[in-house]
Amino acid sequence: AQSVTQLGSHVSVSEGALVLLRCNYSSSVPPYLFWYVQYPNQGLQLLLKYTSAATLVKGINGFEAEFKKSETSFHLTKPSAHMSDAAEYFCAVSDPEEGNNRLAFGKGNQVVVIP
Amino acid sequence: DTGVSQNPRHKITKRGQNVTFRCDPISEHNRLYWYRQTLGQGPEFLTYFQNEAQLEKSRLLSDRFSAERPKGSFSTLEIQRTEQGDSAMYLCASSLGTSGPSYEQYFGPGTRLTVT
Repeated sequence: AQSVTQLGSHVSVSEGALVLLRCNYSSSVPPYLFWYVQYPNQGLQLLLKYTSAATLVKGINGFEAEFKKSETSFHLTKPSAHMSDAAEYFCAVSDPEEGNNRLAFGKGNQVVVIP
Repeated sequence: DTGVSQNPRHKITKRGQNVTFRCDPISEHNRLYWYRQTLGQGPEFLTYFQNEAQLEKSRLLSDRFSAERPKGSFSTLEIQRTEQGDSAMYLCASSLGTSGPSYEQYFGPGTRLTVT
């Protein structure tokens, strides 16, 4: 079964500084990988996804992530944090060989942006 | 296209009562998923439908839980004899297909259940 690990439940970053959220996956097959963002009292919004094409994936709001098979990682970055980036971020994995496309999520990172 | 909607947004109930939640997916989406999210955790898969057929249920979905999707449109999730451990955010998602870009899941705002 697929799983992802996100370390550090709370991440503080200064406004204008680099945002780095780490995600490591476990999968017996080449996975599909996703990053979602959740604002308070809202559902999840897809930031970006990796589906076996380009390993460097660009998403919305200036975020990008790089798939590294050798490190089983899919870390999320943004060069310069903005106050509006304060939210909870989830990494998720699915098995493209399964028919259900269900997502397995990590525990999430609560990002706090310090002015 | 107004996205995935869920009702109610909040539900407070007493232990032992039955509750029902509704999810309206994006109109042309044939797949519908239910997830549960507890405090400090990521969402966990509960079940999914392809059109009106319920194709998979997680072991998290005890006998007190039942989900339906009549006519392949909206879906309901019912919890009977609620317990305090059922308190969570229940998220619904829908997708258009099973492969390629169309498999992307779009999430609703969720229904927050509090069992007292």
